[in-house]
Amino acid sequence: AQTVTQSQPEMSVQEAETVTLSCTYDTSESNYYLFWYKQPPSRQMILVIRQEAYKQQNATENRFSVNFQKAAKSFSLKISDSQLGDTAMYFCAFMGPGAGSYQLTFGKGTKLSVIP
Amino acid sequence: DTGVSQDPRHKITKRGQNVTFRCDPISEHNRLYWYRQTLGQGPEFLTYFQNEAQLEKSRLLSDRFSAERPKGSFSTLEIQRTEQGDSAMYLCASSSPGLGNEQFFGPGTRLTVL
Repeated sequence: AQTVTQSQPEMSVQEAETVTLSCTYDTSESNYYLFWYKQPPSRQMILVIRQEAYKQQNATENRFSVNFQKAAKSFSLKISDSQLGDTAMYFCAFMGPGAGSYQLTFGKGTKLSVIP
Repeated sequence: DTGVSQDPRHKITKRGQNVTFRCDPISEHNRLYWYRQTLGQGPEFLTYFQNEAQLEKSRLLSDRFSAERPKGSFSTLEIQRTEQGDSAMYLCASSSPGLGNEQFFGPGTRLTVL
């Protein structure tokens, strides 16, 4: 079974600064997807960024980028120019469709607070 | 289409009662998922439908839980003989094969069992 570990329960960052959230995972599969989801307080979960394991290039979406290290099974999220609206729980998630499973396995999350 | 919707948003029930939640996915999505999220934790997978077929069930889904997706459209999740440990947020998500496996989540149903 896959496991996802987020070792930082809480983090804070000053507005306009850069912050990196860590995620490690364990799997024996070679074909899989990794995701970062954002869950703002009392609001629904939305996708921030995705990475296909077969792609060596790190994914980027505007101020959000990842550092995907497949051999180390590491998938960190970097948020540049942090904004107050970035305050949320961030969940790292794994999907292994290569095994025919489309379920997401989530980490426990990192609570990010952006300080004005 | 405004996204995945869930009803009710909140449900308070007494231990031993049955409850049923509804999820309406994004209309063109053929895959539908149920997750459970307890306080301070990430969502945990419960079950998955492709069209009307229930293809995966987690060990978390005890025999008191049942899910259906008649006609491959909306889905219901029923919990029989609720227990205090069932108190959680129940999340529904949907996806389509052509969208990079992104799952779109609904707002959730928060269940409180007294």
